[in-house]
Amino acid sequence: DAGVIQSPRHEVTEMGQEVTLRCKPISGHDYLFWYRQTMMRGLELLIYFNNNVPIDDSGMPEDRFSAKMPNASFSTLKIQPSEPRDSAVYFCASRGLAWNTGELFFGEGSRLTVL
Amino acid sequence: AQKVTQAQTEISVVEKEDVTLDCVYETRDTTYYLFWYKQPPSGELVFLIRRNSFDEQNEISGRYSWNFQKSTSSFNFTITASQVVDSAVYFCALNPGTASKLTFGTGTRLQVTL
Repeated sequence: DAGVIQSPRHEVTEMGQEVTLRCKPISGHDYLFWYRQTMMRGLELLIYFNNNVPIDDSGMPEDRFSAKMPNASFSTLKIQPSEPRDSAVYFCASRGLAWNTGELFFGEGSRLTVL
Repeated sequence: AQKVTQAQTEISVVEKEDVTLDCVYETRDTTYYLFWYKQPPSGELVFLIRRNSFDEQNEISGRYSWNFQKSTSSFNFTITASQVVDSAVYFCALNPGTASKLTFGTGTRLQVTL
């Protein structure tokens, strides 16, 4: 089975530009998570979905960030406008077992650099 | 609030040495789940183990072993006879029983040299 698929793997953009990161979870998994990893803050949960519905977005840094899950096989994380401090690796993960017991399966990450 | 502390930022060992990575957690939940993940230089996060709060039995998987002690809120990870391929950042994580959020520690970078 394919794992969690993220795109793009690398993105370099200029400050002020819109960035869209994409994620395809593992088929059959009904939980999807977006994490951000930086040297300063480590791995932070941004938002997670259950059955395509956002459950907790308290980790989204500010209004410039938005996430959607239009269907069970696709999610996006959008940053508009982007800023240099948004530079990080963004991970998508999905979970298929019971809501609080199963391990997360992570994608390979999208490395974002905002100049 | 949930918290995971990995006090060791970086550890360097010579191949074949044993090494223990420490993890201390805080939670008010009586039911919770603990995890270890490995992040090799390639960057992906690889699941290693899950343990629930009701199962304090230690686990061994090849050269890896985990020691879970509720009395000290610790979930330590030992690699026996370390190898260069074990070089990675290792994360301990906690999922409380009342939520679906996985909280990660800051990670321990393990460097194994020849």
